[in-house]
Amino acid sequence: AQKVTQAQTEISVVEKEDVTLDCVYETRDTTYYLFWYKQPPSGELVFLIRRNSFDEQNEISGRYSWNFQKSTSSFNFTITASQVVDSAVYFCALSNTGGFKTIFGAGTRLFVKA
Amino acid sequence: DARVTQTPRHKVTEMGQEVTMRCQPILGHNTVFWYRQTMMQGLELLAYFRNRAPLDDSGMPKDRFSAEMPDATLATLKIQPSEPRDSAVYFCASGPRGGAYEQYFGPGTRLTVT
Repeated sequence: AQKVTQAQTEISVVEKEDVTLDCVYETRDTTYYLFWYKQPPSGELVFLIRRNSFDEQNEISGRYSWNFQKSTSSFNFTITASQVVDSAVYFCALSNTGGFKTIFGAGTRLFVKA
Repeated sequence: DARVTQTPRHKVTEMGQEVTMRCQPILGHNTVFWYRQTMMQGLELLAYFRNRAPLDDSGMPKDRFSAEMPDATLATLKIQPSEPRDSAVYFCASGPRGGAYEQYFGPGTRLTVT
C-alpha cells in the first residue's frame, strides 16, 4: 500500500524566516514519482516539482529547494526567506509506475506573517 | 496561458437533485482526473481518463456518481441523486502524459448539498 504522511498540520513563521515542510512516503515500488503542489487561498492546486525515484539529487528553484532521501523515505521542501505570498497549503504526493493513482498527503498549511 | 476550466464554480442544490460538473482540460492533454477535496478526507481521486477512456473510477460511489468524457474538450462528473455528504470541492486536473507526470488543476467546483 502507498501512503504519504505530512505530519505538520500547520506551520506559522514570520516573513524572511526559512521553513521546511516534511514529507514521508511509503511504497513497495522501486520506481515511483514524488510531487509537491501548492494550494493558495484561491483554491487551485499548482504543480511545483516532480522527482523520480532514481534521481536523488537535491533541487533548487529560486527560494525553493527539495531534499529527496530514499534512505529515510523523505522528500522535504524548504522555503528560504519566506514571504507572505508563500502562505498556502502545500501537498506532497506519490505516484506509482502505472502512473494514474496519485496519493496526496493531508497537506501542511503554512502561514507567513509580515 | 493554458488552463483547465471548470463550471460551475459554485453550486448549491437540494438533496435528491442531479448535479453536473463540467471540465475543459488543457488542449493536447491526454489524461483527465476528477478529485474531491473535503476537510475530513483530504484529496481523493474519483476517476481517471486516458485518451477519453475511463481507466479507473474505483474512488466513486457507483450508485450515484458517473464520469464521462464525450469528447477531448469536455469531461463531466454527475451526481444523481445528490446527498449532503457530497458537499465538497470537486477538482478536475489534466496532464500531458499520464498520472506519473505533473497534473494541472482547475479552480474547482464548490458543491453544497442542503
